[in-house]
Amino acid sequence: AQSVAQPEDQVNVAEGNPLTVKCTYSVSGNPYLFWYVQYPNRGLQFLLKYITGDNLVKGSYGFEAEFNKSQTSFHLKKPSALVSDSALYFCAVRTTNQAGTALIFGKGTTLSVSS
Amino acid sequence: DTGVSQDPRHKITKRGQNVTFRCDPISEHNRLYWYRQTLGQGPEFLTYFQNEAQLEKSRLLSDRFSAERPKGSFSTLEIQRTEQGDSAMYLCASSPGLGGEQFFGPGTRLTVL
Repeated sequence: AQSVAQPEDQVNVAEGNPLTVKCTYSVSGNPYLFWYVQYPNRGLQFLLKYITGDNLVKGSYGFEAEFNKSQTSFHLKKPSALVSDSALYFCAVRTTNQAGTALIFGKGTTLSVSS
Repeated sequence: DTGVSQDPRHKITKRGQNVTFRCDPISEHNRLYWYRQTLGQGPEFLTYFQNEAQLEKSRLLSDRFSAERPKGSFSTLEIQRTEQGDSAMYLCASSPGLGGEQFFGPGTRLTVL
């Protein structure tokens, strides 16, 4: 079965420090990988995606993610965290076959950035 | 704003009543998705449309749930005989193509009393 795991319910970092939010996946076939962010009372906002090509993907608001096929991971990173980055982050995967059009989401990781 | 819109944003209903939600996708997107999100969980896929055709349904979509996209534009999700377990955030998303990212609306929060 296809699945996404976000092993940390919460990540706490100080403003200005680098941050990492972890994601691992399990799919059959090649994965399409996504990161979304959700602020309170708002819908999910797309941050970045990996389809193919360079393993390091750059996205919105200074975020980037590294695809590691051997470790089946797609960790979200940012060199210097901002207080405004505090939100709920979701990793998601879909497969390339026709039936796999839906996104499969992890449970989410709450990022808290302190000033 | 030309993003995905959903109506209503909040709905409170009594158990056993029927409710209907509406989603208006981004105009040039031919793919539309419905998801359900409960507290502490990621969104879970319910159903998917390509234009007006409903191509995929999750086993989460019980017989009490029905979705339509009659002209390939907006979509409705109806829940009949609501149960307390239906209380959740219902999210709609649209995308322009099979490999593209999905753009989400703000969601409709359903509370069943």
